Order: sequence, then structure tokens, then C-alpha cells
Amino acid sequence: GQNIDQPTEMTATEGAIVQINCTYQTSGFNGLFWYQQHAGEAPTFLSYNVLDGLEEKGRFSSFLSRSKGYSYLLLKELQMKDSASYLCAVRKNTGNQFYFGTGTSLTVIP
Amino acid sequence: NAGVTQTPKFRILKIGQSMTLQCTQDMNHNYMYWYRQDPGMGLKLIYYSVGAGITDKGEVPNGYNVSRSTTEDFPLRLELAAPSQTSVYFCASSQADSGANVLTFGAGSRLTVL
Repeated sequence: GQNIDQPTEMTATEGAIVQINCTYQTSGFNGLFWYQQHAGEAPTFLSYNVLDGLEEKGRFSSFLSRSKGYSYLLLKELQMKDSASYLCAVRKNTGNQFYFGTGTSLTVIP
Repeated sequence: NAGVTQTPKFRILKIGQSMTLQCTQDMNHNYMYWYRQDPGMGLKLIYYSVGAGITDKGEVPNGYNVSRSTTEDFPLRLELAAPSQTSVYFCASSQADSGANVLTFGAGSRLTVL
């Protein structure tokens, strides 16, 4: 199986910055993806990294270190609507398979 | 443009019954996937397909079957429903030769086996 680890829960304050970490161990690595999932809804794509470094998309940024098997998602200027589960996923180069971690439930408080 | 459409949205089955979850995509994506998500958990890959006529097992294929006769359709079959198959099922698709190659998900099908 795939070893993809994320913290189970996090709480942060509105307007603050939060970093959600993800570590992975896999063969045939071909990208690290982040998805957001609100309760009762389908996951939606946020960001991805194939090469090492930081990718910035508005309030969301994602970082990857392939040598360390490590990624993080950075959320800036937190809003109440950011309360959701954040899923880390590894893409493998065989069959274009995507494997997910258990997700991090983020609660944003006033 | 509907994207990925799953039916039914909700279903209750009795132990031992069979059913098929339908999934259709209209984006001409070559890759399609079935995931299940148990409460408070991430997504587990059941089966995937790299194109019409080709399917392969994911992490948790036992108790399920799939087929891919067309590019658009990827149904998931449960032959003998068991309580352990109570879950939310998501179908997804992707186009491997597109830029980000992201997964597009359907709205999900909530299945309860009693």
C-alpha cells in the first residue's frame, strides 16, 4: 500500500496562516496533489507539485521536497469558508493512479 | 457540460443484494476511477481504468467489479452486498496528457447495507 500521513485535525483563527503537512513513501512517484473537501461534498482540486519547490495560487500555496517525501499546503488569510477537510494525494506513474491520505480536518474559528 | 455524473445519489441495500453504481463523464477523459470514503477517512481506490476495455484493481477491490465498454461509462458492480460496503462512493476521471492532470469527481453515491 501507500504510506501517506497527515495530521487528523487542526484548528486555526480567522485571518491567520495555517500549514498542513503531508509525508509519503511510495514508488513511482509522479506528483503530489492537494484537494479540499467540504462536508457532504466531493473533493475539489487546489494545488499540485511535480518538481521540488513552492507553487503559489492566490491564498493557497503548496510545497514539495521529493528527497524528503514531504509536502505542505499553506493557507493564508484564513476565512470561515476554509473550514473543510484537506486531502493529500500521491500520483503514481503507472496507470495514472492517485492515492490519498486520510485527510486533515481544519476548523477555522473567529 | 455535466462533468462526471453518478447515479444513484442514495441507496439502501439488504445484505446479499446486488446493485450497480453508474458513472458517466462527458469530458472525453481516458482515465476513470472508483473510490470509497468511510466516515472521517480519506479516499480508497477500488478500481481504475486507463481506457475503454482496460481495467485494473486498486487498493480495495474485493467485493466489487467494474467494466469499461466505452470511454464515457465506468459502472461499479456490487455482487453480494455486505455491511462493510456501507460507504460513500466517488467516481472520478482525468486526462493524463492535460496540464495538471487533475481528478474531476462526481457528486458521490451514499450506500447503506443493512
